[in-house]
Parts: sequence; C-alpha cells; structure tokens
Amino acid sequence: SAVISQKPSRDICQRGTSLTIQCQVDSQVTMMFWYRQQPGQSLTLIATANQGSEATYESGFVIDKFPISRPNLTFSTLTVSNMSPEDSSIYLCSVEDDRGNTEAFFGQGTRLTVV
Amino acid sequence: LAKTTQPISMDSYEGQEVNITCSHNNIATNDYITWYQQFPSQGPRFIIQGYKTKVTNEVASLFIPADRKSSTLSLPRVSLSDTAVYYCLVGDMRGGGYQKVTFGTGTKLQVIP
Repeated sequence: SAVISQKPSRDICQRGTSLTIQCQVDSQVTMMFWYRQQPGQSLTLIATANQGSEATYESGFVIDKFPISRPNLTFSTLTVSNMSPEDSSIYLCSVEDDRGNTEAFFGQGTRLTVV
Repeated sequence: LAKTTQPISMDSYEGQEVNITCSHNNIATNDYITWYQQFPSQGPRFIIQGYKTKVTNEVASLFIPADRKSSTLSLPRVSLSDTAVYYCLVGDMRGGGYQKVTFGTGTKLQVIP
C-alpha cells in the first residue's frame, strides 16, 4: 500500500491569498490526483498530475486558479490561488497503485477555511 | 462513464448485517465495481472490488448479479465504528482509471447502539 502525507492538515486563510498544499508519498507512483470535497458533499476530481508533464484539469477547474507541481515521482503540490470563501473545502491527494492493483490511496485531506 | 445510484443514507443497529445496493445500469464490459469507505476528517479507504459474482475479504462481501447492472456491499455484524460514508465506483480502474471515474453521492451509514 502507499502512505500519503498531506500538509497542512487544516488552515484558515484570508480571502485573496493563496495556499499551497503538499502531498508526499512513501513510494514512487506515476499518477497523482487532486480532489475537492465540499462540506457534506462527494469528491470531485480537480486534476491529474503526472511527473514530467502538465497537469490535466477537469471541467470547471483551471490552471490559473489551481496550479499544480509534480517535480518527482513521490511529491506534488496544489495551490489554491486568490482564495474566496467558496474555496472552503477539503482538498485530498490520491495516488494509484503502480503495481497493477486497481486500488487508490488517499491522504487525510487538507481542510481549508477562507474568511 | 457509468453513473451510479445508491441510497443517500441508512441506519442500522449494532450487530446487524448491512446491505448497501448500488445501481449502475450502463456499466461497460471493462468496468470494475469498487467500494470505498470514508470516515469524517479522513480520505476514502478501499474496501473491496469485484467484476462479477461474489467477492469476499476480511471486511466485507460484494455481490454482483450476472447482468452486472447492480451490486450489493454487505457488511457483517456492523459496529459503531462502521459509521461512515460508503461510495460505489464503477469504471476501468487500470492505468489511470481513476481519472475517468466519478465518485457518486455515497451512502451515509449510521450504526445505532
């Protein structure tokens, strides 16, 4: 299995500022995913991040708002830019198992509150 | 993409068996059925996955009829610690598959003492 550490676990931010969320995996993985989970809601995929290429964003999410880095096979960051209260959510990092299993592993999430 | 439908919520008493059914009428030939569990303030955790018939592990059983248009997650003798949201996912999970899979609304299971 893969163990994922996310930092910070929670933060309260002022509107108009940006927050960078870090995701560290204990093994090398090809694909990393960033999800958003709004209060009481299901998970929505923001983007897929592969090492060495631009992230692929889902409909409704753009790079200017959610820039992603993927410098190596164990690490990724998601930045939430120019935040507004509507960005208050839990942001989750996820990876697929590169050993051919079809299981995904999730971090514990970053609970963001924008005031 | 196969859309899934599952009950929004369920209540059960401790010690009972709980069955959560998920409908996925337009499941494709290469699609697997996967269930995740999510506790508050945690990311989802893989429970079980199957393609057809019945799959059982130490946590749950998954029943899939021959037409694969639905599936049932069975949790034996639930305890209070099984209170969580359970998500049914349908898709080809291999090699980037989670990019193509949508998390549905999930079923919020409340176990009552």
